[in-house]
Amino acid sequence: DIQMTQSPSSLSASVGDRVTITCRASQSISSYLNWYQQKPGKAPKLLIYAASSLQTGVPSRFSGSGSGTDFTLTISSLQPDDFATYYCQQSYSTLLFTFGPGTKVDI
Amino acid sequence: EVRLVESGGGLVQPGRSLRLSCVASGFTFDDYAMHWVRQAPGKGLEWVSGISWNSGSIGYADSVKGRFTISRDNAKNSLYLQMNSLRAEDTALYYCVKDRSPTGKLNWFDPWGQGTLVTVSS
Repeated sequence: DIQMTQSPSSLSASVGDRVTITCRASQSISSYLNWYQQKPGKAPKLLIYAASSLQTGVPSRFSGSGSGTDFTLTISSLQPDDFATYYCQQSYSTLLFTFGPGTKVDI
Repeated sequence: EVRLVESGGGLVQPGRSLRLSCVASGFTFDDYAMHWVRQAPGKGLEWVSGISWNSGSIGYADSVKGRFTISRDNAKNSLYLQMNSLRAEDTALYYCVKDRSPTGKLNWFDPWGQGTLVTVSS
């Protein structure tokens, strides 16, 4: 099975900061990597699919990059609404998907 | 608007069974694969199981293989998860999730239901 790791596990940041979260796969997954945002008490929401494509309606301050085993989610200027937990997910292994452990972004 | 509404959660004793249901609306249900993803209290997301549009391809996480069975009824726009031999570690919020593709290949999950809580305890 493909294992996913994320770093850091948590970070503290201020409004306006540039934030970068890293996700690493245990083997090459090409660009089959998605990012989700989850706020407390809410269901996860898709932010980025296929490593770098922005889901409709997601603010352009979010961006994704990477391929192979190393991926990055960047928030160019952190806003109050962005304080949440972020998960990566590999979609390379059909019907054997895995998520990263999550990165909590707080103030 | 796409809606996914889960039901069937509750408190169950270890070793017993439970069946979760998810009713979908707002899209052509039999055009898409569907999944169950769970989240234990205070923990991260875990993909549990997925099923292709025509039930021809099914997958399970190792943690539930042999105990859980996913199924769908396209005529009723419904997804199910039969959970047998439940363990304390199955305690979680179970989300019903729509795939972007019919087969689950190269997928992403969008949208998610609000979840149904399963608590396994004596």
